[in-house]
Amino acid sequence: NAGVTQTPKFQVLKTGQSMTLQCAQDMNHNSMYWYRQDPGMGLRLIYYSASEGTTDKGEVPNGYNVSRLNKREFSLRLESAAPSQTSVYFCASRTTGIPEAFFGQGTRLTVV
Amino acid sequence: AQSVTQLDSHVSVSEGTPVLLRCNYSSSYSPSLFWYVQHPNKGLQLLLKYTSAATLVKGINGFEAEFKKSETSFHLTKPSAHMSDAAEYFCVVSEAGGSYIPTFGRGTSLIVHP
Repeated sequence: NAGVTQTPKFQVLKTGQSMTLQCAQDMNHNSMYWYRQDPGMGLRLIYYSASEGTTDKGEVPNGYNVSRLNKREFSLRLESAAPSQTSVYFCASRTTGIPEAFFGQGTRLTVV
Repeated sequence: AQSVTQLDSHVSVSEGTPVLLRCNYSSSYSPSLFWYVQHPNKGLQLLLKYTSAATLVKGINGFEAEFKKSETSFHLTKPSAHMSDAAEYFCVVSEAGGSYIPTFGRGTSLIVHP
């Protein structure tokens, strides 16, 4: 049972480049989330998807787009990367009615 | 709206002494509360969770936390710190009114001195 899988684990981008962070879960969860972690700020919500076919903005959505490709997969896209997007990104998922979320191992992104 | 405040950004203890990491929450509904630990360059590990059952919750590695509704607190404690406890700790709240979206505190860095 893999849980929540994020790819890639590490990435270095140049300013202006684009990339997509992938997240997949095998627990049949309805809700999925993308967070970014910065020193002293905890984890802040970028976007979430309460169910397949829906997405909503979180606290820090600017510069990002998401796609809920199907129930398993929720991707995060940076169209034009900026140094301010250097961060560690976490994906999480949760089943309906159960508060506990399960987290992936994170993607460390550096934008130079 | 739900929110979490971790009252200390850094806590420093000596090995073998008690640990107290403080967390206050704000919630309009009956909250679920969690503590996660993150060791350097690692992912998040669930330490313990409160989901409206017993107010004193025991977790892994000797940690426990007590849910106090009157004080809106969920402090994390451990009787005796170990060097391996040095890490970042996050308090998290989740409630039905917030669609159970996990909301994180800013984190507390635990430093353990030999």
